Amino acid sequence: EVQLVESGGGLVQPGRSLRLSCTASGFTFGDYAMSWVRQAPGKGLEWVGFIRSKAYGGTTEYAASVKGRFTISRDDSKSIAYLQMNSLKTEDTAVYYCTRVGSTWASYYFDCWGQGTLVTVSS
Amino acid sequence: QSVLTQPPSASGTPGQRVTISCSGSSSNIGSNTVNWYQQLPGTAPKLLIYSNNQRPSGVPDRFSGSKSGASASLAISGLQSEDEADYYCAAWDDSLNGDYVFGTGTKVTVL
Repeated sequence: EVQLVESGGGLVQPGRSLRLSCTASGFTFGDYAMSWVRQAPGKGLEWVGFIRSKAYGGTTEYAASVKGRFTISRDDSKSIAYLQMNSLKTEDTAVYYCTRVGSTWASYYFDCWGQGTLVTVSS
Repeated sequence: QSVLTQPPSASGTPGQRVTISCSGSSSNIGSNTVNWYQQLPGTAPKLLIYSNNQRPSGVPDRFSGSKSGASASLAISGLQSEDEADYYCAAWDDSLNGDYVFGTGTKVTVL
């Protein structure tokens, strides 16, 4: 069974840092790109960024709202994806979901989601 | 701020057909495929439709997707009580930053 489990969320002060982890199981982690999506309380979904598989360079892309502050990385030996969040702002308060990126020849989509971890940025 | 516009709500009685629209532009829906996600109350989102009209394994054929130009739609036929959820369309956007953009979301209520 494909499973993604996020961890590392919690309460953090504005300007501080936090690192989230996403532990995967049930599939060959290294074969897939991984992405992070967030959802502020009572709001809709917002894409944060993704990391390609090593076969495609392991490169990253980010939403404009987090570029320069957030960094996504991966450890294929441990089947873990990370989201390093620096210079956190109150507007970063959200549930953060880890997703697997599925693909066909012309389409990319998030085909498996974790349960989410809540990050609250507040003084 | 989402660039894909959905109606905030939709409703129907059990057995009815409900359709949700998703309006975008030439840089997103107009040039890329559309995906749909279902979020049941208090749970994580789930992939419902990918590549405009493809259903992942396990998704009932009551759910169908379509796309025309810069707009897309999701149809739920034979509405059931367990379909009460939030639904989001999404697509990659080829504009400057190349973001993956979600729709504003539609809350479906089964009356």
